[in-house]
Amino acid sequence: DAKTTQPPSMDCAEGRAANLPCNHSTISGNEYVYWYRQIHSQGPQYIIHGLKNNETNEMASLIITEDRKSSTLILPHATLRDTAVYYCIVRVATGGSQGNLIFGKGTKLSVKP
Amino acid sequence: NAGVTQTPKFQVLKTGQSMTLQCAQDMNHNSMYWYRQDPGMGLRLIYYSASEGTTDKGEVPNGYNVSRLNKREFSLRLESAAPSQTSVYFCASRETSGTLYEQYFGPGTRLTVT
Repeated sequence: DAKTTQPPSMDCAEGRAANLPCNHSTISGNEYVYWYRQIHSQGPQYIIHGLKNNETNEMASLIITEDRKSSTLILPHATLRDTAVYYCIVRVATGGSQGNLIFGKGTKLSVKP
Repeated sequence: NAGVTQTPKFQVLKTGQSMTLQCAQDMNHNSMYWYRQDPGMGLRLIYYSASEGTTDKGEVPNGYNVSRLNKREFSLRLESAAPSQTSVYFCASRETSGTLYEQYFGPGTRLTVT
């Protein structure tokens, strides 16, 4: 699986958009970009994933560059409850056996009032 | 649905003691995982089970054993606890069919070994 690079921390004002970048310059053609987050002391939570096209769900939007070497997770109106560590993970989508996620250190997002 | 449940939530052990961490899921998932998370670090895979009756080592299996008791339950055993095993332990499950790679995590067990 391709490695990812994320800034260690970011701040965002409550109500503003939070844009979290992720670099994955060695991504392969069959690898997806996944985002998870971990709110303090809880288990990680899936947010969104994408392959090539931009994706949006009720939690966030994912923008993937045309060359797929980087992506940005967007929380459109950040709230205090969005304060968490956000993990960008790149892996092959597979129904196969192992399929564990490889977590780096992520980006600690602090949403401030 | 409760999702993924873990017991206990907290545990303190003395060096050399043994214990079993329990995990259960009610989503009928095939695959289950045990991760550990040390302070300020990402999660690391200890063991996984692709299906009932199978288990395999992950990145950091030393000092642990697992049992996939049935499709619902996947337990992690520390035979002789060491201070280096002080960590937060997360269990996760996922469905292995389809392309969506979504793991569901439990709330974690916070283990301190003195």
